[in-house]
Amino acid sequence: DVKVTQSSRYLVKRTGEKVFLECVQDMDHENMFWYRQDPGLGLRLIYFSYDVKMKEKGDIPEGYSVSREKKERFSLILESASTNQTSMYLCASRSGGRAFFGQGTRLTVV
Amino acid sequence: AQSVTQPDIHITVSEGASLELRCNYSYGATPYLFWYVQSPGQGLQLLLKYFSGDTLVQGIKGFEAEFKRSQSSFNLRKPSVHWSDAAEYFCAVGATEYGNKLVFGAGTILRVKS
Repeated sequence: DVKVTQSSRYLVKRTGEKVFLECVQDMDHENMFWYRQDPGLGLRLIYFSYDVKMKEKGDIPEGYSVSREKKERFSLILESASTNQTSMYLCASRSGGRAFFGQGTRLTVV
Repeated sequence: AQSVTQPDIHITVSEGASLELRCNYSYGATPYLFWYVQSPGQGLQLLLKYFSGDTLVQGIKGFEAEFKRSQSSFNLRKPSVHWSDAAEYFCAVGATEYGNKLVFGAGTILRVKS
C-alpha cells in the first residue's frame, strides 16, 4: 500500500522559530509537493520538487524554503515562523497523474 | 492562467438524496481533471480522474463525474448520499506534461443530515 508520511500531526511553535516539516514517501516517486490549506482558499502550492536537489516555487513560496537531499524525503522549512503561517500543511507525491497525500500537519504559530 | 472554481462553499443534503458538486476550470490545453475528498482528520483521497475518452467517469465510493468541454465543467455526482460522505471535496486541474503541478479549487464542504 502506498504511503506518504508527515512526521507530525500537530505542531505549536513560537513566532520567529525555525520550523521543519518532514515528509517521506515510499513509492520511489520523483515528484513531491508541499501545499497549505486554509478555509475558503483551498489548497495552495508552496514548493515542489521533481528530482533530488531540484525544486521549484509554487504559488506562495514567500517565507518558506525546501530541501530534497534524498528521493524519498521532502522537507518544508519556515525560516522564521509568523502567525500568518498558521495553517494545515499537506505533503504529496505524484506519478503518472496520480497524487498521494500525507495526513497533514496542523501548525499553529503563537 | 489555470484556475479552478468551486462556486459552493458548503452544501447540505439529506441522507439518501442525490448530490452534485460543481467545478469549473480555466485551462489553455486539454486538462487532467481530478476530484479529491478530505474527510476530517484524514489526508486527501483521490475519488476519480479524467484524462481522455468517455466523458462520464466512475470513481470510488459510488461517485461519478462528467466532463463537459463546452461548459468547462467537471461536476461530481452521487445518486444517493451516505452520512459517511460528509467531508470536504476538492476539484483540481493539471497539465498533461511530466512534472506538472495541480491547481486546486477552494473546496466544497458537504454536510449530510439524517
